[in-house]
Amino acid sequence: DAMVIQNPRYQVTQFGKPVTLSCSQTLNHNVMYWYQQKSSQAPKLLFHYYDKDFNNEADTPDNFQSRRPNTSFCFLDIRSPGLGDAAMYLCATSRDPLGGYTFGSGTRLTVV
Amino acid sequence: AQKVTQAQTEISVVEKEDVTLDCVYETRDTTYYLFWYKQPPSGELVFLIRRNSFDEQNEISGRYSWNFQKSTSSFNFTITASQVVDSAVYFCALSGGANSKLTFGKGITLSVRP
Repeated sequence: DAMVIQNPRYQVTQFGKPVTLSCSQTLNHNVMYWYQQKSSQAPKLLFHYYDKDFNNEADTPDNFQSRRPNTSFCFLDIRSPGLGDAAMYLCATSRDPLGGYTFGSGTRLTVV
Repeated sequence: AQKVTQAQTEISVVEKEDVTLDCVYETRDTTYYLFWYKQPPSGELVFLIRRNSFDEQNEISGRYSWNFQKSTSSFNFTITASQVVDSAVYFCALSGGANSKLTFGKGITLSVRP
């Protein structure tokens, strides 16, 4: 049973058109993360929530926003996607920052 | 600052060969965790192992084994009798300290040929 669910699995969006990726978890974990992984690169942390506390990485572009309305859900909003934002977006959860991480299957974003 | 180095970028072996994937890490934290993840072509990250900094015991799980050596800051991963299904990208990762994040190495692409 999937415990971290990302929808959709594949997303195609137009250049400049806002897009939202979603992540839900059934683990009741406190921490949720969004990673961006470009082709042949390591996953790169964009931001994370510890409960409701939002933590942005210093080099995350302003174009990327996140919302966590409750424990179970977390959203990644890309306000104006550019061609360079095409990537796999991975959501992960953990009970605490040093805990084991559970990753979703990812959403592969294509920008046309 | 934390850093994970996977010096090997691509490894190709023939089925049934043993293969070792190297991982060297840097951290100033005294408490930290080390991880290995497998990423098959489908893209999801599959958790393989977590090891905390106080447990240097080597671990074996079926054909997989891990060698953690704090003295050399290494956490190497060996696949015995490799199979085609082992073909994937393997990431070593590190987390440590309060409010920590997971830092990944660049990954090693393993190809196992029949």
